[in-house]
Amino acid sequence: EVQLVESGGGLVQPGGSLRLSCAASGFTFSDHYMDWVRQAPGKGLEWVGRTRNKVNSYTTEYAASVKGRFTISRDDSKNSLYLQMNSLKSEDTAVYYCASSRPSRGRYYMDVWGKGTTVTVSS
Amino acid sequence: DIQMTQSPSTLSASVGDRVTITCRASQSISSWLAWYQQKPGKAPKLLIYQASSLESGVPSRFSGSGSGTEFTLTISTLQPDDFATYYCQQHNSYPLTFGGGTKVEIK
Repeated sequence: EVQLVESGGGLVQPGGSLRLSCAASGFTFSDHYMDWVRQAPGKGLEWVGRTRNKVNSYTTEYAASVKGRFTISRDDSKNSLYLQMNSLKSEDTAVYYCASSRPSRGRYYMDVWGKGTTVTVSS
Repeated sequence: DIQMTQSPSTLSASVGDRVTITCRASQSISSWLAWYQQKPGKAPKLLIYQASSLESGVPSRFSGSGSGTEFTLTISTLQPDDFATYYCQQHNSYPLTFGGGTKVEIK
């Protein structure tokens, strides 16, 4: 069974840091692009960023709202995805989902999602 | 950035109704559009990719159409399990962007 399980969420003060993890199983993790998507309380979905696979040099893309503060990384040997979040702001409060992305004619779309982990930024 | 606009934001319907949700892109995205269903407290679920391709395991009452800037998600015969929020998302270019969502409510 394809599964993604996020962890590492919690309460952090403004300006603080947090590292989220996503453990993957049931598919060949190393082949996939991986994404982080977040959802603020009562709001819609917001894409955070993406890491490509080894074939594409693990390059990354980020939303403007997190660029320079958040870093996405992966460890294919551990089937794990990470999101390092620094300089956190109250507006980063959200449920954070990891998602695997598969290709269709060269474009990647998110097909499997984890259940999410909650990050609250508050003093 | 490509802006995705969904309409309506809320839709009241009854079991058995035919439901159509529209998604418009601020510039052409060819057919690089996905649709997701989300229920309260749950993760989004992929329904449609590449505008009209039905994800494996998704009931055939769901269908997608469109290209360029105008897209639709249709539920042919609304079932009780379909009351949820639906999001479109473009995967043509970065940053990837979602529509604001359409909540399908019980009439």
